[in-house]
Amino acid sequence: QQQVKQSPQSLIVQKGGIPIINCAYENTAFDYFPWYQQFPGKGPALLIAIRPDVSEKKEGRFTISFNKSAKQFSLHIMDSQPGDSATYFCAATAGGGNKLTFGTGTQLKVEL
Amino acid sequence: NAGVMQNPRHLVRRRGQEARLRCSPMKGHSHVYWYRQLPEEGLKFMVYLQKENIIDESGMPKERFSAEFPKEGPSILRIQQVVRGDSAAYFCASSQGNQPQHFGDGTRLSIL
Repeated sequence: QQQVKQSPQSLIVQKGGIPIINCAYENTAFDYFPWYQQFPGKGPALLIAIRPDVSEKKEGRFTISFNKSAKQFSLHIMDSQPGDSATYFCAATAGGGNKLTFGTGTQLKVEL
Repeated sequence: NAGVMQNPRHLVRRRGQEARLRCSPMKGHSHVYWYRQLPEEGLKFMVYLQKENIIDESGMPKERFSAEFPKEGPSILRIQQVVRGDSAAYFCASSQGNQPQHFGDGTRLSIL
C-alpha cells in the first residue's frame, strides 16, 4: 500500500535528449509528489514537486506529468546536459509534514 | 551555511560498538526526519521527530536503534551494538510544517 514503483533503473541519453522517468503508486492518500536529484556522495536535493490537483508542472527544463486516475507520474528533462547525470528519485507523502516514501531511483547518464 | 548539517560525514565502527549520528536542521525548521539508504537502493524512512517528541517511528528497527531531538542541540540517531547490516548511508532531512523536506549530505556508516 505504501510502495512507489520507479522505472527504469538506469537510463542513457545523448546530450539534448529528453529522458523520461516513470513512477506509479498505490496509496490514494498520497497528495504530494516530489522529485529529488542525488549526486554521488551528496544528499538528495529537491528538484520539483506536484500535487494531484494539476496534471503538469514545469520548472525550467524539468516537467512533471501527473495522471491521477492511473496513479502515475513522470519526470521529463528537456534539453538534457551532461551535468544532469545523477540519480533521480520520485517520492510521495500523505498529508503535510509527513514521511516520504521513495522510489528505488533511476541512474541517468547524459552523454556528449 | 544555512543547510541541514550532518556529522560525522563518515563513521567507522567495529561490531558491537555504538554509533551516534548528529543532525542540525535548517534554521527555522522544527521537523526532523531520518532515512537510511542501502547501496543501489532508495531511501527508507526511519523516524520523524519534532522538538522533544517522536511523531512517527514506524520505520525504526525495534531493537538497538533510537532517536531524539532535544529542546537544545542537534537531533541524534543512536545505534547500539552495531552489526554489519547497519552499514549504510543515513540521511537527515528537516522541514517547517507542511513545507518540503531538505536533506543533509548524510553520514556513511561502515561496520568492520
